[in-house]
Amino acid sequence: DAKTTQPNSMESNEEEPVHLPCNHSTISGTDYIHWYRQLPSQGPEYVIHGLTSNVNNRMASLAIAEDRKSSTLILHRATLRDAAVYYCILLGESEEKLTFGTGTRLTIIP
Amino acid sequence: EPEVTQTPSHQVTQMGQEVILRCVPISNHLYFYWYRQILGQKVEFLVSFYNNEISEKSEIFDDQFSVERPDGSNFTLKIRSTKLEDSAMYFCASSDGAVWVGDEQFFGPGTRLTVL
Repeated sequence: DAKTTQPNSMESNEEEPVHLPCNHSTISGTDYIHWYRQLPSQGPEYVIHGLTSNVNNRMASLAIAEDRKSSTLILHRATLRDAAVYYCILLGESEEKLTFGTGTRLTIIP
Repeated sequence: EPEVTQTPSHQVTQMGQEVILRCVPISNHLYFYWYRQILGQKVEFLVSFYNNEISEKSEIFDDQFSVERPDGSNFTLKIRSTKLEDSAMYFCASSDGAVWVGDEQFFGPGTRLTVL
């Protein structure tokens, strides 16, 4: 049973913003929304996480819908280095393991 | 910047042989994990380790697998009798605190295991 749904792939031009959507209609009140990414031939790396409010860090922004049934990862100015598979992951209370889906493969066009 | 390291980067072994994959987590981290990724497939959780014991394991982590933190710095994954289907990239990860509230898991670069 998939907890999150993401498009299989997206393309974006270099130096333009990218909006990566994630649907999580069955999210519960204590679930945190985490985003990780996996660059080619590397291990996954943390991007950002949030609970209810929008979040910003040096890598990206996370916009969370008011009903929390969806969220959007925003890369403000994509570079070639941002080409990766992006995973949206829900973590419930006391949950420790990351459950990866198939994610969204982001291609950046120079 | 601190990082998780893994050795070897590539391990080739014969079916039925034992392998030990080694990881050095970030020092002062308390939670340790192993994941694997079969070529072209999803990253799958194997096991989590906290306070010197397994805190959770997946169905994949059967009696052929074991983990150990032998000396306070290394974290190892042992596969006793490898099978062809164990061929995968194995990732070690560590975190300072509870992941679900926001502590990130830091992943190593992986060990590619090839079972012939």
